[in-house]
Amino acid sequence: QQPVQSPQAVILREGEDAVINCSSSKALYSVHWYRQKHGEAPVFLMILLKGGEQKGHDKISASFNEKKQQSSLYLTASQLSYSGTYFCGTEKGAQKLVFGQGTRLTINP
Amino acid sequence: EAGVAQSPRYKIIEKRQSVAFWCNPISGHATLYWYQQILGQGPKLLIQFQNNGVVDDSQLPKDRFSAERLKGVDSTLKIQPAKLEDSAVYLCASRKTGNMNTEAFFGQGTRLTVV
Repeated sequence: QQPVQSPQAVILREGEDAVINCSSSKALYSVHWYRQKHGEAPVFLMILLKGGEQKGHDKISASFNEKKQQSSLYLTASQLSYSGTYFCGTEKGAQKLVFGQGTRLTINP
Repeated sequence: EAGVAQSPRYKIIEKRQSVAFWCNPISGHATLYWYQQILGQGPKLLIQFQNNGVVDDSQLPKDRFSAERLKGVDSTLKIQPAKLEDSAVYLCASRKTGNMNTEAFFGQGTRLTVV
């Protein structure tokens, strides 16, 4: 029931774009995206609830496909501060929030 | 608004000893989660409470782990006896209940090392 994230790791130069994918074998109620820096707690980025939804702020956005089984996180013109591990969290009901294995993003100057 | 408080921040114990972690959620958050995060992995859900009732504990190793949430506020997670593979960060998170469009807030975690 754990969502599957890909890729496991990404290395970029500052200013490049990245896409992180999160998929489930069954339809979901929602998808959450969090970022965790080393030694810190995960920090919330956004929630998607509706099939076909897209949302974002600044240069980080996300989409949820029509079947509500896949979500993608888009980071454009990446900044050094975007470095960290990104987790998707998925829900199928009752607010049971389970996380993927994470995608480690490294931004080099 | 105060965040999720956890203590202790760090704990080192020998295998077969017992240990307890404490979590104080954000005021008004009826949903509380405990996660185990092994180095390099995603948070694994151990147990979910709504108020003082257990919603899900399917991944909790009940032969050695226990958790309670008295009065629907603070929560404690206990391990007895600890094994080497229990070395991990234990994260507590809380969330408003009843609305799927709410985020979970995480505490700083307790880093447990079993030697």
